[in-house]
Amino acid sequence: KAGVTQTPRYLIKTRGQQVTLSCSPISGHRSVSWYQQTPGQGLQFLFEYFSETQRNKGNFPGRFSGRQFSNSRSEMNVSTLELGDSALYLCASSFIPTGGGYNEQFFGPGTRLTVL
Amino acid sequence: AQRVTQPEKLLSVFKGAPVELKCNYSYSGSPELFWYVQYSRQRLQLLLRHISRESIKGFTADLNKGETSFHLKKPFAQEEDSAMYYCALRALDSNYQLIWGAGTKLIIKP
Repeated sequence: KAGVTQTPRYLIKTRGQQVTLSCSPISGHRSVSWYQQTPGQGLQFLFEYFSETQRNKGNFPGRFSGRQFSNSRSEMNVSTLELGDSALYLCASSFIPTGGGYNEQFFGPGTRLTVL
Repeated sequence: AQRVTQPEKLLSVFKGAPVELKCNYSYSGSPELFWYVQYSRQRLQLLLRHISRESIKGFTADLNKGETSFHLKKPFAQEEDSAMYYCALRALDSNYQLIWGAGTKLIIKP
């Protein structure tokens, strides 16, 4: 199976702009989670989508939003970019069995966002 | 509130020495705990989960409910173990959301 893919891999934006990142999960995985990774803060959970619905949300401002499509592909949007939004944004997919439970999260390579 | 604490941001040990990466958690329910690892220029990946009770790449981790800890151990470190290690907790009463620690960077010196 192909792994989780994220596009673009690198992005440079200026303050005030908005950005959309894309994540294609492993085939058959309906859960997609987004994370922000920085050297200072480590891995910070943004949100999780499951079957096109946001199931969990981290403590990020409303400028960060996401959505999931019927084919499980997900997008993350950040509006009014700030310098502090510079980070590696990771997407992870997992297969959620019927009845719930946990399965391993498979991570993508990330999108490196630089805000100038 | 659920929390995962990894007290060491950086841990440096010599090759062949024992390694212990600490992970403490705060959770009132019955936890599921995991260790994820990120090698240089590679994707973050699952190393092991406490339910499996297995040894992966020589690493083991035992869940200690009394001390609320899930430390990762390896008796003899190898240079290829150098990586970033994250401890994570699955919160059953938070819709299975994973709660992550801040991570520990492990450096194995030759």
